[in-house]
Amino acid sequence: GAVVSQHPSWVICKSGTSVKIECRSLDFQATTMFWYRQFPKQSLMLMATSNEGSKATYEQGVEKDKFLINHASLTLSTLTVTSAHPEDSSFYICSAAVLSGYTFGSGTRLTVV
Amino acid sequence: GQNIDQPTEMTATEGAIVQINCTYQTSGFNGLFWYQQHAGEAPTFLSYNVLDGLEEKGRFSSFLSRSKGYSYLLLKELQMKDSASYLCAVGNQGGKLIFGQGTELSVKP
Repeated sequence: GAVVSQHPSWVICKSGTSVKIECRSLDFQATTMFWYRQFPKQSLMLMATSNEGSKATYEQGVEKDKFLINHASLTLSTLTVTSAHPEDSSFYICSAAVLSGYTFGSGTRLTVV
Repeated sequence: GQNIDQPTEMTATEGAIVQINCTYQTSGFNGLFWYQQHAGEAPTFLSYNVLDGLEEKGRFSSFLSRSKGYSYLLLKELQMKDSASYLCAVGNQGGKLIFGQGTELSVKP
């Protein structure tokens, strides 16, 4: 139980375009979803916390206008990377708190060319 | 502030025992987690400590001392497949899970 489905698994986009990443909780309701970014050989850095029905809260240094988060329902949270640039190329992964701890999506490898 | 420290990399021999240390300072404490992660994949849950002491689960054990802000992950009977990154993470008072930089473990024959 407590599965988060994340799509797409990987995406390649042109510089200047926007990319949307979706995370769906399949068998539970996620009122809160955490979004992380991971650069090669580095750890997971928390970007923001999305809350169903309200605005996301962003960690210091994360541009809220560049990384748009929407959590319109209890089972879906999305992260849109707007006007993507090569430096945004990274592994993005979502996570939800559940009774047994935290469950993670499978991650999205974004490459901006 | 929040700070979680663990060694960047470690090397061990197949069949041996390795201990990965983690020290932390966070705003509030809501448990300490250890995860295993292979490159390009999601982290896999290994252990959770919220009270002081040792938690054992098969070949993996994890220890916590809240007063010292210290934890370790102990891996016994190392196998080649244990080569991975091991992440120490702390749940803070806001419910967020904050990760250390990860320890890249290489298991050699």
